[in-house]
Amino acid sequence: SQTIHQWPATLVQPVGSPLSLECTVEGTSNPNLYWYRQAAGRGLQLLFYSVGIGQISSEVPQNLSASRPQDRQFILSSKKLLLSDSGFYLCAWSLGTGPYEQYFGPGTRLTVT
Amino acid sequence: KQEVTQIPAALSVPEGENLVLNCSFTDSAIYNLQWFRQDPGKGLTSLLLIQSSQREQTSGRLNASLDKSSGRSTLYIAASQPGDSATYLCAAMEYGNKLVFGAGTILRVKS
Repeated sequence: SQTIHQWPATLVQPVGSPLSLECTVEGTSNPNLYWYRQAAGRGLQLLFYSVGIGQISSEVPQNLSASRPQDRQFILSSKKLLLSDSGFYLCAWSLGTGPYEQYFGPGTRLTVT
Repeated sequence: KQEVTQIPAALSVPEGENLVLNCSFTDSAIYNLQWFRQDPGKGLTSLLLIQSSQREQTSGRLNASLDKSSGRSTLYIAASQPGDSATYLCAAMEYGNKLVFGAGTILRVKS
């Protein structure tokens, strides 16, 4: 069966510090991968998605970037965090063929102070 | 631009009651619609996915329907239990595999 991992589970970082969140998927090959952010009062928002290694699409211009160095690894990064980057970051995967049902990881709670 | 709305925002019911959660979307050109459950501080659990060619899907006490022409989906929960207490999210999938989420319905089932 497939499993999705995210780490760390929680993170407190000062403004201006770098960020690296990692997501890995087990039990499947060539998945589509997604990064979402859930901010208080703003709902779930798609940030990035990837259909293959090195292929990243950005949905919202922002202070963040994503990379996919390996087939089942998806990384969310920032060079300098802003207060507005605080939120709950969720990684998800789906098969590369329809119906593209998405399965979510446990999330990372990021607080920027 | 697709917008997804969920009504009600919050719902409190006694245990055993049947209930309906509503979801509406503005653009009927969706690929599928997915219902999720989220417990506090946790990730999302997929409950049901309805493809655009389908009218409904069932899993245990859950039944989800889809009416693309009217831009609506409902999630029916039969014989609610305290363990059903959570936030329920619907999401419309646009072509290109992008999910657009509603704000959710917070459900509390009282014992």
